[in-house]
Amino acid sequence: GQQVMQIPQYQHVQEGEDFTTYCNSSTTLSNIQWYKQRPGGHPVFLIQLVKSGEVKKQKRLTFQFGEAKKNSSLHITATQTTDVGTYFCAGVDTGNQFYFGTGTSLTVIP
Amino acid sequence: DTEVTQTPKHLVMGMTNKKSLKCEQHMGHRAMYWYKQKAKKPPELMFVYSYEKLSINESVPSRFSPECPNSSLLNLHLHALQPEDSALYLCASSQVFGTVGANVLTFGAGSRLTVL
Repeated sequence: GQQVMQIPQYQHVQEGEDFTTYCNSSTTLSNIQWYKQRPGGHPVFLIQLVKSGEVKKQKRLTFQFGEAKKNSSLHITATQTTDVGTYFCAGVDTGNQFYFGTGTSLTVIP
Repeated sequence: DTEVTQTPKHLVMGMTNKKSLKCEQHMGHRAMYWYKQKAKKPPELMFVYSYEKLSINESVPSRFSPECPNSSLLNLHLHALQPEDSALYLCASSQVFGTVGANVLTFGAGSRLTVL
């Protein structure tokens, strides 16, 4: 069946360091979404990527969608303590089914 | 109003109890979802309602019974649950189901359920 894996599972960084999480799907996706869940909170939508090779930026966050539409990445430049949380990708297949990735939990050490 | 409201925030119930979780949104969204989330795991889809009709049931045990009384409300009726059903239950909505660009999920804060 469809699987969406994320690596790493956990990441601890010093404040100011960069962070990247990678999302890999076993099948081609229609589009991919990214969500952030703060500790004790609920997932909050960050961005959606639709086109092959698409790159989008939100301030210090850069999102990429692979050329084959099977992988994606989220890169945070100069992390801050407010970036703490778990980042989930959610792949949407051609049948419009959502598949949440396994998540990457980010800890930022002040 | 850009929120999804869930009640109660916390619920403790015994295995023989009957309780309900409630979810409300006033964004005009026509798709509503129930997800179950265990600690340190991604949300798992349980049910999808599209235009008040059940579109997806991810083989959820019958002790969970969803209901969509109207386009703004979604309930999850709970009966004879097991301790392993303890989890965070998240409600979400999207403009519609299955259309790129209109399928972004807005989640509620969740109902944390403990089954004793």
